[in-house]
Amino acid sequence: AQSVTQPDIHITVSEGASLELRCNYSYGATPYLFWYVQSPGQGLQLLLKYFSGDTLVQGIKGFEAEFKRSQSSFNLRKPSVHWSDAAEYFCAVARFTGGGNKLTFGTGTQLKVEL
Amino acid sequence: DTAVSQTPKYLVTQMGNDKSIKCEQNLGHDTMYWYKQDSKKFLKIMFSYNNKELIINETVPNRFSPKSPDKAHLNLHINSLELGDSAVYFCASSQTNQPQHFGDGTRLSIL
Repeated sequence: AQSVTQPDIHITVSEGASLELRCNYSYGATPYLFWYVQSPGQGLQLLLKYFSGDTLVQGIKGFEAEFKRSQSSFNLRKPSVHWSDAAEYFCAVARFTGGGNKLTFGTGTQLKVEL
Repeated sequence: DTAVSQTPKYLVTQMGNDKSIKCEQNLGHDTMYWYKQDSKKFLKIMFSYNNKELIINETVPNRFSPKSPDKAHLNLHINSLELGDSAVYFCASSQTNQPQHFGDGTRLSIL
């Protein structure tokens, strides 16, 4: 069965500092990986995805993530955090089935940004 | 022109009542989903429909019944509401083998 672990429940960074959010997955085949962001009272917005190919993927809002098969990781990074990045971040792995895809989410990492 | 829209945004009701949440997507996607987010923000898939056919049906009480009248709509009906049903319910849609797009959620509170 697929699973995702986000080891950090809370992370606090200063505005302008770099950010790395950790994600480890368990999946029996080639994983399809995603990072979503959820602002308070909002739905989930897709930041980026990895399906295949280049292991460093670029996303929206200046985020990137690197897929490392040997470490079963898909960590999210941003070189300089903005106060508006404060939100909940979810890593997810997908299993494609019957035309859709079943997402399994990690427990999320809440990011606080100090001004 | 919201892509995935859910109504209502908030739903407050008493135990034992029956309620429905509606979801519509205007993205032309073939597949729609329902997720439950609990008080600890953990997200878990409940159901998925592809072209009006049920393709994912997780371990969810029979009191929850999804209905898809067409591929742009997926509604969730809940019978005999219980305290443990309090959560945020998210609808999502996707094209075949593509990322999911989420609605803003329906916050259900059971008194």
